[in-house]
Amino acid sequence: GAGVSQSPRYKVAKRGQDVALRCDPISGHVSLFWYQQALGQGPEFLTYFQNEAQLDKSGLPSDRFFAERPEGSVSTLKIQRTQQEDSAVYLCASSSRGQGRSYEQYFGPGTRLTVT
Amino acid sequence: AQRVTQPEKLLSVFKGAPVELKCNYSYSGSPELFWYVQYSRQRLQLLLRHISRESIKGFTADLNKGETSFHLKKPFAQEEDSAMYYCVTTGNQGGKLIFGQGTELSVKP
Repeated sequence: GAGVSQSPRYKVAKRGQDVALRCDPISGHVSLFWYQQALGQGPEFLTYFQNEAQLDKSGLPSDRFFAERPEGSVSTLKIQRTQQEDSAVYLCASSSRGQGRSYEQYFGPGTRLTVT
Repeated sequence: AQRVTQPEKLLSVFKGAPVELKCNYSYSGSPELFWYVQYSRQRLQLLLRHISRESIKGFTADLNKGETSFHLKKPFAQEEDSAMYYCVTTGNQGGKLIFGQGTELSVKP
């Protein structure tokens, strides 16, 4: 079956622009995670959804970052007034189980955001 | 706070040589530890988890609570093992993953 998909795969934004990154998780997966991966670093957690509920947004670096998953399936990560330090690969992952248990996370290919 | 440390950014070995990718963790409680791998032009994927105590593609990793380590080992490296390897632990709730900085393994012919 289809894995996690993300769009766009590449995005170039001018500083100050708003961007929206989309994630389509594996069908039926309850949990959805967003990670940010800067060049040469490991991915860092941004936020977590269980169905439509955003249970953890402790990793969002500023109030310019906003994520939603209104129907418990597709999720969108929005970054307002982009800055150069936002340049990174944004990874989405989904998992079949909910809070409190660690199950395998399936990753999407990522969206590479470059802010010029 | 939970943290994993991978001291080597790059590890280069010859085909057939043993390989060990180091990982140390700090965790309060009982950690869950994993190794994730990213091959060239592919997405990040789970390689193995300490709970399973399994061997995947010839790789094993033993959790050593005394040394707080979870090193990844393979007795005979293959060229197709060349990839970026991440040691990973979980946060306190929700299953979020905490990644090390990664070690790039290069296996030369």
